[in-house]
Amino acid sequence: DGGITQSPKYLFRKEGQNVTLSCEQNLNHDAMYWYRQDPGQGLRLIYYSQIVNDFQKGDIAEGYSVSREKKESFPLTVTSAQKNPTAFYLCASSRLDSLNTEAFFGQGTRLTVV
Amino acid sequence: EDKVVQSPLSLVVHEGDTVTLNCSYEVTNFRSLLWYKQEKKAPTFLFMLTSSGIEKKSGRLSSILDKKELSSILNITATQTGDSAIYLCAVEAISGTYKYIFGTGTRLKVLA
Repeated sequence: DGGITQSPKYLFRKEGQNVTLSCEQNLNHDAMYWYRQDPGQGLRLIYYSQIVNDFQKGDIAEGYSVSREKKESFPLTVTSAQKNPTAFYLCASSRLDSLNTEAFFGQGTRLTVV
Repeated sequence: EDKVVQSPLSLVVHEGDTVTLNCSYEVTNFRSLLWYKQEKKAPTFLFMLTSSGIEKKSGRLSSILDKKELSSILNITATQTGDSAIYLCAVEAISGTYKYIFGTGTRLKVLA
């Protein structure tokens, strides 16, 4: 089945620790995105990528890093510089070469700082 | 700065009621407007509206794009408890690269 897989579903981070959230898609989509969702704030864009080895900062990129070494994969690292990382993280992907460019989402990763 | 605003933030109705959710935007280089339903985790796609497709309907759900007013509405008729969810509006913008700007969402609760 085609889709987007995020792992893990739940993640706990200690203060000062870096953690990496995985996102893999087998939809052959060119574009991939990372969003953060906090209660009452909708989805805020962290980073996005439209091509391998290239990515752009979104609205809240500070304290996060990404890589896009393969078309299928777009991992997000939450660094110790991110002061308030507890949130629900959603990865999405979309086509760029047609009229049907709606984004498809993974099931999300809930990150909690302990 | 690009912005998408949804209203109301939350809404409680009874089964059988009709609801209208609103989305307004200020986005440079608008390409399309999308509606999503988020029940538990992953938002699921409902509609995409563009300049060439300003009205969409699927069952009890329908949506209209008003490009002059820079807004869209999502209507749900004969609501059911299964319609309880967060409804997200997003605008797809092209400014050298493509990206989606999301609103805060409307939390709908339908009571039996």
